[in-house]
Amino acid sequence: QTVVTQEPSFSVSPGGTVTLTCGLSSGSVSSGYLSSWYQQTPGQAPRTLIYNTNTRSSGVPDRFSGSILGNKAALTITGAQADDESNYYCVLYMRGGIWVFGGGTKLTVL
Amino acid sequence: QITLKESGPTLVKPTQTLTLTCTFSGFSLSTSGVGVGWIRQPPGKALEWLALIYWDDDKRFSTSLKSRLTITKDTSKNQVVLTMTNMDPVDTATYFCARDLGWRYFDFWGQGTLVTVSS
Repeated sequence: QTVVTQEPSFSVSPGGTVTLTCGLSSGSVSSGYLSSWYQQTPGQAPRTLIYNTNTRSSGVPDRFSGSILGNKAALTITGAQADDESNYYCVLYMRGGIWVFGGGTKLTVL
Repeated sequence: QITLKESGPTLVKPTQTLTLTCTFSGFSLSTSGVGVGWIRQPPGKALEWLALIYWDDDKRFSTSLKSRLTITKDTSKNQVVLTMTNMDPVDTATYFCARDLGWRYFDFWGQGTLVTVSS
């Protein structure tokens, strides 16, 4: 089965910009994978940030943006804040009509 | 207001079958395009998509777990039921249900329910 890859961890300074990526163990991610991104803090349900590659979910600040960068989906946080410290998951909609989550990225803001 | 809530046993024994119910409100699973899916998360680990059922009874399953999963819906009760056979301690996880409006992403999530598999 295809593996969806994410950086295990990342750190960013307050006010800084960080880009998290979401790739495939084999092949490239395109807009056809309808990538979506979720933010999750321990003990909580995931919160939807981005869907269909680059559409922000309702209520999500515009400092969160989604894109395709090279052969990966990407989540960029501009002007990182302390409460952005969370785990971030991408999920791809695969051929065959199934979803596969990435392993998640633990983002530290310090 | 859209809500989803998972319910089921908190403890199951190895080899038993797990049955979880997602009860939702604020939308209907008879509306064209709508689906409800299940996602789980072992303690301290990543999310894993399991299954989803659409308004028209179209069903999708994780490739690796397909042989163990069943998903059904009761539109009149606003419920989706997931069963997983032959439970193992590695299946210990928080199980979430979530809605797909047809855009192939999960916009609303339940709070999750922790299921422990232990003898």
